Amino acid sequence: ETGVTQTPRHLVMGMTNKKSLKCEQHLGHNAMYWYKQSAKKPLELMFVYSLEERVENNSVPSRFSPECPNSSHLFLHLHTLQPEDSALYLCASSQIAASYEQYFGPGTRLTVT
Amino acid sequence: QKEVEQNSGPLSVPEGAIASLNCTYSDRGSQSFFWYRQYSGKSPELIMSIYSNGDKEDGRFTAQLNKASQYVSLLIRDSQPSDSATYLCAVAYNAGNMLTFGGGTRLMVKP
Repeated sequence: ETGVTQTPRHLVMGMTNKKSLKCEQHLGHNAMYWYKQSAKKPLELMFVYSLEERVENNSVPSRFSPECPNSSHLFLHLHTLQPEDSALYLCASSQIAASYEQYFGPGTRLTVT
Repeated sequence: QKEVEQNSGPLSVPEGAIASLNCTYSDRGSQSFFWYRQYSGKSPELIMSIYSNGDKEDGRFTAQLNKASQYVSLLIRDSQPSDSATYLCAVAYNAGNMLTFGGGTRLMVKP
């Protein structure tokens, strides 16, 4: 595997379900990010982990819960979502104190029914 | 409220022409600037980064930064139909971790 990978690529879940999105980076980076991309809206930064510590939580509802067990893995735990949470969820990674260039994974297309 | 503004387009150019994409940002303290290309149904792909005033060239792409006027632009020379995509401008406002994205400009290159 190279770059940033995300699983699953597609997910359909009901509002009462609990699911998790997984992200793994193979770039040796030390920062990871979750973004949400909805139709007709700019990319929204949700969470930032730098050196495995959360440094940003952009007023994201508590039904989204991130977890970063190490510098290569990032999870987004989902529970009791709403239909308006349907979107493309993107993971990215970067090397802080260097170029800060962020590289994205392919995304998980989430549909909440 | 830190903002990054882009014309949503579509910007239509003929094949072989120069496509010019523009982006303005609100915070004078911005340090790092990035251009991403996003094909329909795909994730953003980093194509250019620029950190200081002036031009930076990479193949057919040139990024231009003017911090005094708070704008950054992307020129695509010899545009190809495969360049048809949405181009996202992103700006880092602090040490670099936090990117704010513009809404993107949709580029259409017609054969």
